[in-house]
Amino acid sequence: GENVEQHPSTLSVQEGDSAVIKCTYSDSASNYFPWYKQELGKRPQLIIDIRSNVGEKKDQRIAVTLNKTAKHFSLHITETQPEDSAVYFCAASITGANSKLTFGKGITLSVRP
Amino acid sequence: IAGITQAPTSQILAAGRRMTLRCTQDMRHNAMYWYRQDLGLGLRLIHYSNTAGTTGKGEVPDGYSVSRANTDDFPLTLASAVPSQTSVYFCASSTRVGDYEQYFGPGTRLTVT
Repeated sequence: GENVEQHPSTLSVQEGDSAVIKCTYSDSASNYFPWYKQELGKRPQLIIDIRSNVGEKKDQRIAVTLNKTAKHFSLHITETQPEDSAVYFCAASITGANSKLTFGKGITLSVRP
Repeated sequence: IAGITQAPTSQILAAGRRMTLRCTQDMRHNAMYWYRQDLGLGLRLIHYSNTAGTTGKGEVPDGYSVSRANTDDFPLTLASAVPSQTSVYFCASSTRVGDYEQYFGPGTRLTVT
């Protein structure tokens, strides 16, 4: 089955700096890669996703890049703010009738004011 | 109700007892999922349902059962709870199985003593 790994497990940045969170996956057939954000004590929520037919997707201060050859994808957050502090989960899946998301273990991002 | 709800919010349960965690969504989503979240292990899929009347096993199904009698409800049952089932349980739903956003419930914190 699919194996998704996230690096690093924790990340601390200064407010205003950029943060990059990386994920690797094992199944070359995976073609859908979402990122979920979970604030302390809250539920995970989708913040951005990318499909294998594109290499990059942006939404305001966040962007995701995908390298299918190397089987890794990254979340980029620019101009970080304290409210960006959270746990970020990447995931991967193969679209289809039996598609299931496999999540990474999560990365804790801390933005220092 | 709007969205996806779970009950109870939290529960302390004696080992060996039977417990059902409830999940209800009003978005008419076909697919529903149960995850457990443990520190350092991320979100792991327990069971899922692609549509009413069908269920499937996820990554960690042992000790758990589910049913999907209708579109809205997807209860998770622990037949005989054990301490290793202490966790935060999240129910989620999506329009269909596949590369669609999953909407998570608020979670149930379960402690098995």
